Amino acid sequence: NAGVTQTPKFRVLKTGQSMTLLCAQDMNHEYMYWYRQDPGMGLRLIHYSVGEGTTAKGEVPDGYNVSRLKKQNFLLGLESAAPSQTSVYFCASRRGGGNQPQHFGDGTRLSIL
Amino acid sequence: RKEVEQDPGPFNVPEGATVAFNCTYSNSASQSFFWYRQDCRKEPKLLMSVYSSGNEDGRFTAQLNRASQYISLLIRDSKLSDSATYLCVVDRSGNTPLVFGKGTRLSVIA
Repeated sequence: NAGVTQTPKFRVLKTGQSMTLLCAQDMNHEYMYWYRQDPGMGLRLIHYSVGEGTTAKGEVPDGYNVSRLKKQNFLLGLESAAPSQTSVYFCASRRGGGNQPQHFGDGTRLSIL
Repeated sequence: RKEVEQDPGPFNVPEGATVAFNCTYSNSASQSFFWYRQDCRKEPKLLMSVYSSGNEDGRFTAQLNRASQYISLLIRDSKLSDSATYLCVVDRSGNTPLVFGKGTRLSVIA
């Protein structure tokens, strides 16, 4: 059981390039999330989804877009990468609300030069 | 007031010590509570859920105090491998995302 899988694990981009981060979960979870975490800081929620075809903005959505076309996948897009988007990106999924915990992928380390 | 507040630490304790972390939350309607552990440059991992009556998992004990709106984590007989950042996590309501505290850093020293 793979859980939450993030692709790629590492990436270096140049300013202005675009890319898509993929998150896949095989637990049939309804909710999915994208976070970023900068050195010495807490998790910050970028966007989230409470079901296939739905997305919502989190705390720091600017510069990112997301799509949830299939229940098992949640894509995070950077249209025009900026150095300020250098970070570690974590995806997470959750079966539902209430007392259900979140399960995280092992992260994507993204550097933008 | 922040939704979830934790003492950032670091807590530096010797092996074998007992250490306790507290976390306060602002939303009195919160119903679900968790402790996560995050190692350096790794993803957060669920340590334990926190139940109303308190719960224990080996050397770890979690308590909930609804009246004062705080949860606690007690670690007994600390091991070097317990060194990590401990995140307090609280729900809001409905399908809104969980709220993660910024974490408390623990270093267990030989």
